[in-house]
This record gives sequence, structure tokens and C-alpha cells, in this order.
Amino acid sequence: DTGVSQDPRHKITKRGQNVTFRCDPISEHNRLYWYRQTLGQGPEFLTYFQNEAQLEKSRLLSDRFSAERPKGSFSTLEIQRTEQGDSAMYLCASSLSGAEANYGYTFGSGTRLTVV
Amino acid sequence: AQSVAQPEDQVNVAEGNPLTVKCTYSVSGNPYLFWYVQYPNRGLQFLLKYITGDNLVKGSYGFEAEFNKSQTSFHLKKPSALVSDSALYFCAVRDMGDYKLSFGAGTTVTVRA
Repeated sequence: DTGVSQDPRHKITKRGQNVTFRCDPISEHNRLYWYRQTLGQGPEFLTYFQNEAQLEKSRLLSDRFSAERPKGSFSTLEIQRTEQGDSAMYLCASSLSGAEANYGYTFGSGTRLTVV
Repeated sequence: AQSVAQPEDQVNVAEGNPLTVKCTYSVSGNPYLFWYVQYPNRGLQFLLKYITGDNLVKGSYGFEAEFNKSQTSFHLKKPSALVSDSALYFCAVRDMGDYKLSFGAGTTVTVRA
């Protein structure tokens, strides 16, 4: 078990370009979460998957954002037509449903996005 | 709705002195409470959690936290701080009936030698 992996670690893109991030959760974890963290703030919830089903999307997730988790394994977060306000650290976390009390949530190292 | 407040943006202590990072929470039901630490350009590392049981919870790296239901608080403590404890600390809460964590804004801890 190598923990939660996120790729890339850093991404610099020009405004208006599309970007895609990947998250590989702990293999036995069926729940997967995306958070966004801006400078000086705590992580803010974006969206949540249980297996392959996306069960909740925050109002922070505009129409330019889309997330998938095909086959209930890895997940991707795509941002279309990036804006400078999208610059942030994007964190992925995973957990095992019903076992968070025992095993908690495991976070990846994040993808830092800079939109220039 | 669930929320967390960390009233101090920064905490500064001398090495060897006690360290306290404050956290208060709001949930509609029973809380699951967590502390995480973040080093520059890194993800969140789990320190400790309170689910049920003893109000004093011990975690990684000598940290502990005290759950106080009447004051809705979950303060993080370390009896003797180290310079290497300098980092950003986040308190998080989850209502027992929910699945996602809600985080506070974070407290930057600086331990001076």
C-alpha cells in the first residue's frame, strides 16, 4: 500500500487552457474526495465519490470542473478554460466507508496548479 | 451543517515550552474530530482523531488533544515543543451522519530555538 498518489505534483498552465489531474486512492478504499486549498485557507470540499458514483458536488465546483472515477478506482479532475482564480492546491483523499472511525482519511500530497 | 473554527492564525512558542492550538467545532450530531499537519508544499498528514471514548486522545509525534463536549472544543497540545513541529495545523470535523471532513482555516505554528 503506497498511500494516495496524485499526479502531477505541479502544473503551470496558461489561462484558458484545460488541465487534468489524476488521483490513485488506496486500493481498498471505496470513497474518494477532492478538496481545493488556496493560500492561507483550509481545504474546501469539492466533490465525493463512492465507488464510481459521484454522490455530491460542492457549489464551488463550477461547470468548468468535472470529475470522474471510472470503475471505482482512480479519479480524474478536469478544469476547462482555466482562470487565474483556479490557482490552488488540489488535494485528493480516500477512505473506507464505515471504517473512517478506525482508519480515518488518507490524503495525497496534492497537485499545485498555477494559472498564468 | 458542520464547521470548524481555529481562532488563532499563528502560534509562536519557544522550544521546550508547551504548545496549544485551539479548535472549536459545530455539528448537528456527534462529531468525529481530526487534527492534521501540513508542511510546505505537502499534503496533509494525520496526527490524531477523536471518535468516542476517553476525552484525551494521544497521537503521533507526542501530540495529544482534549475533547470537551460542553465547550465544543478539541484543542491540540504538546507538552514540550520542538523546532521541527513548526508547520501548519488543521482541525477537521465530520458529523457522524456525514462522510466528508470540514476543515478550519489552519494555524501556523512557529517554534523558535
